[in-house]
Amino acid sequence: SQQGEEDPQALSIQEGENATMNCSYKTSINNLQWYRQNSGRGLVHLILIRSNEREKHSGRLRVTLDTSKKSSSLLITASRAADTASYFCATDSSASKIIFGSGTRLSIRP
Amino acid sequence: DAGITQSPRHKVTETGTPVTLRCHQTENHRYMYWYRQDPGHGLRLIHYSYGVKDTDKGEVSDGYSVSRSKTEDFLLTLESATSSQTSVYFCAISTGGLGMNTEAFFGQGTRLTVV
Repeated sequence: SQQGEEDPQALSIQEGENATMNCSYKTSINNLQWYRQNSGRGLVHLILIRSNEREKHSGRLRVTLDTSKKSSSLLITASRAADTASYFCATDSSASKIIFGSGTRLSIRP
Repeated sequence: DAGITQSPRHKVTETGTPVTLRCHQTENHRYMYWYRQDPGHGLRLIHYSYGVKDTDKGEVSDGYSVSRSKTEDFLLTLESATSSQTSVYFCAISTGGLGMNTEAFFGQGTRLTVV
């Protein structure tokens, strides 16, 4: 089974609104990453948060990590049409393996 | 795309035939990965490599084999393709394992259809 599971599976919001996606995982981690995938393309790294960090920012992105609940959230503020994509969390099941969740499909309505 | 090239980008093959997908990198990264992406399953790890001739299985390795004879090339082989292997295949590279706090860079994907 997947190490990380995103929630919701799909999200549709109005342009300008904030989008929040969640990721839950099962085992202890060293870090957690978020990736974006535009339709028909490969994944692009967005942000990495280490297990000893609780919050991290990058531009309009804000990631939180709660290791006690084994969960993370990705917040995209002031959404734009270009943010329409699928978003995946990824965790390390071991020092070598990168395991991805099934993703959240985000649609931004104009 | 971080110096990663997948070939071919599209392929249609018949059931029972062997198929080899190639991932080529120019970044000299140690780790290379093969994933498949299917609707409802996200990305699932097939095999990965942590060095030349060093490979290990992922979560969906049955029916697949890999080889890495050079740092820059990681080959994925379907010995006898089946319809269940119809999927989009992605190669990824990283400087270290994820536990070393490194990001992965992805290729553009190979769409494989087995008829």
